[in-house]
Parts: sequence; C-alpha cells; structure tokens
Amino acid sequence: DIQMTQSPSSLSASVGDRVTITCRASQYISNYVNWYQQRPGRAPKLLISAASSLQGGVPSRFSGSGSGTDFTLTISSLQPEDFATYYCQQTYNTPGFGFGQGTRLEIK
Amino acid sequence: QVQLVQSGAEVKRPGASVKVSCNASGYTFTAFYIYWVRQAPGQGLQWMGWINPHSGDTNYAQKFQGRVTMTRDTSISTAYMDLSRLRSDDSAVYYCVRYGNYFAFDIWGQGTMVTVSS
Repeated sequence: DIQMTQSPSSLSASVGDRVTITCRASQYISNYVNWYQQRPGRAPKLLISAASSLQGGVPSRFSGSGSGTDFTLTISSLQPEDFATYYCQQTYNTPGFGFGQGTRLEIK
Repeated sequence: QVQLVQSGAEVKRPGASVKVSCNASGYTFTAFYIYWVRQAPGQGLQWMGWINPHSGDTNYAQKFQGRVTMTRDTSISTAYMDLSRLRSDDSAVYYCVRYGNYFAFDIWGQGTMVTVSS
C-alpha cells in the first residue's frame, strides 16, 4: 500500500499568516492527491483535487502543488474559519485510497 | 442538491453487529462508487472498502475482511455497511463517501456515530 506522510502533525499560527502543509507519498503517484478540511464535529470537505484543482466555492487563499511524491497545501492568509484539521489522500493506487495522518491547525 | 444522508447513531454491545445506511440523492446513484471511511475518536481517516452500486461489486480493506459487508439497494438509492463481531475499538464515526468526478471523495455523508460498550 502507498503510505502518505503528512507534516507537521500540528501547527500553531495566527490570523493572516501564510502556512504550508506537506505530504509525501511512499512511491510515485503522479498528481493523484487530494486535500480535505475537517472542522470539529463535521465531515471532511474536499478542498483540492488532482494536487492543484481548487473545488468550487473554496476560497482562492487555498492552493495546492506538487507532483510525483511531494505535495503541498498552502493557505496564503489564514482566516479564523481555517483553523481545522487537514488531510491529504492519494487516489493513484486502488483499491485503497489512503490518507495522511492529518495536520491540526490551531490558533496561536 | 447532491447529498448522502446516513442513518442515526447506534449503541451496540461487544460481539453484536451494526448496519449503517447511506441514502443518495441529487445524482444517479449507480454512476459513482461509494466508499466507507471511519474515524475513531481523536484519530484520522481510515478507508474500509467500497461498493460499485451498478454491479454490486465490493472490495474491503484487509483489516475488515471477514467482518464487513457492503450492499446496496438501487431501487431506493441506498448503500449499506454491515460490521459484525463489534469490539470496543470499533467505536467511531462511520462515513459514506462518493468517489466522484475528480478522482476524489467529493460528497460525504454526515457521519454515523457507532458506540460499542458493555
């Protein structure tokens, strides 16, 4: 199975900060990486698919990049509603589409 | 709108079984795979398996093989996940998810909390 290693596991930041979360795959996965946001008590929400395609309705301060094995999610200017947990996921290798362990983004 | 609506919370004894339903609306149910993902308290996301609603074909994660069964009823656009021989560490929120157009999990159910306790 392909392993997705996310870092950091937690991050403290302030409103207005620029933050970057990274995800590394254990093998080549082209651009088959998605990013999800999960607020407490809620289901995850798809933010970015195919490494860099922003889903409709997602603010443009979110962006994704990468290909091959290394990927990043960047939030350009943190807003209060962005404090949540973020997960990467690979959808390159069926049958299982594993997730990273998550990055908890907290208010400093 | 496109949505997945799951059945309500369950409390079960160890050794029992639980069946969670997931009703799809707003799209053609048979056109997209349904995955099941679980999340234990304070933990990350773990995929359990999938079902092809068109054919009924399934594939289960090795961790759950022998205990999980995924089925569907196309007449009512509903998928089901049955987990047997429950243990305390099966206590979690269970999500059904649509594997959509973008090679991603684009629509999530609201989650069903299953608590296993004696």
